[in-house]
Amino acid sequence: DVKVTQSSRYLVKRTGEKVFLECVQDMDHENMFWYRQDPGLGLRLIYFSYDVKMKEKGDIPEGYSVSREKKERFSLILESASTNQTSMYLCASSVLAGVRSEQFFGPGTRLTVL
Amino acid sequence: AQSVTQLDSQVPVFEEAPVELRCNYSSSVSVYLFWYVQYPNQGLQLLLKYLSGSTLVKGINGFEAEFNKSQTSFHLRKPSVHISDTAEYFCAVSEGTGANNLFFGTGTRLTVIP
Repeated sequence: DVKVTQSSRYLVKRTGEKVFLECVQDMDHENMFWYRQDPGLGLRLIYFSYDVKMKEKGDIPEGYSVSREKKERFSLILESASTNQTSMYLCASSVLAGVRSEQFFGPGTRLTVL
Repeated sequence: AQSVTQLDSQVPVFEEAPVELRCNYSSSVSVYLFWYVQYPNQGLQLLLKYLSGSTLVKGINGFEAEFNKSQTSFHLRKPSVHISDTAEYFCAVSEGTGANNLFFGTGTRLTVIP
């Protein structure tokens, strides 16, 4: 059974803290993605990675960085958390592009920055 | 750039009534189309997808969608909704040119009223 897991369901951090969100997939997928979800805005792509150590900026990369040292793990880093980064963060993975571009999602991490 | 429009942000409907959730996209190339569902406090789950072939696609939980190329639409329908269908629904598009990314609409919150 396909599985994408995220390290935390709920996280509360203070402004200025460095925050790590971890995502692991067990499907040997090449692609991994980080989105943030906000009411009325849908899902917006922050970063994605199509291979180990490779990354591409999405629509809203400012204030975020990512790391992919192993195929199964994709980390999202908030270097200095701010209140406007309070959001739901969703990780996803997929095989290579084309007809199999369906993405599989983790349960999400609801981050609150105080 | 690809864009996906879900015109209805909220759709209330009585139990056992039919429902249609609308999705339009903008693309001049061939596309793959998806509907995802998000239940409260969960990640996204694939409902159905159109890759090629028959324009009427059937998915899980009794949902179906019809791909209309001339109208660039992919509306989701269910003939009789249940309380358990209360959730947020996202339409997504992937261009069939080798791209890895999905472009999401802003979501439609379906509320089924007993």
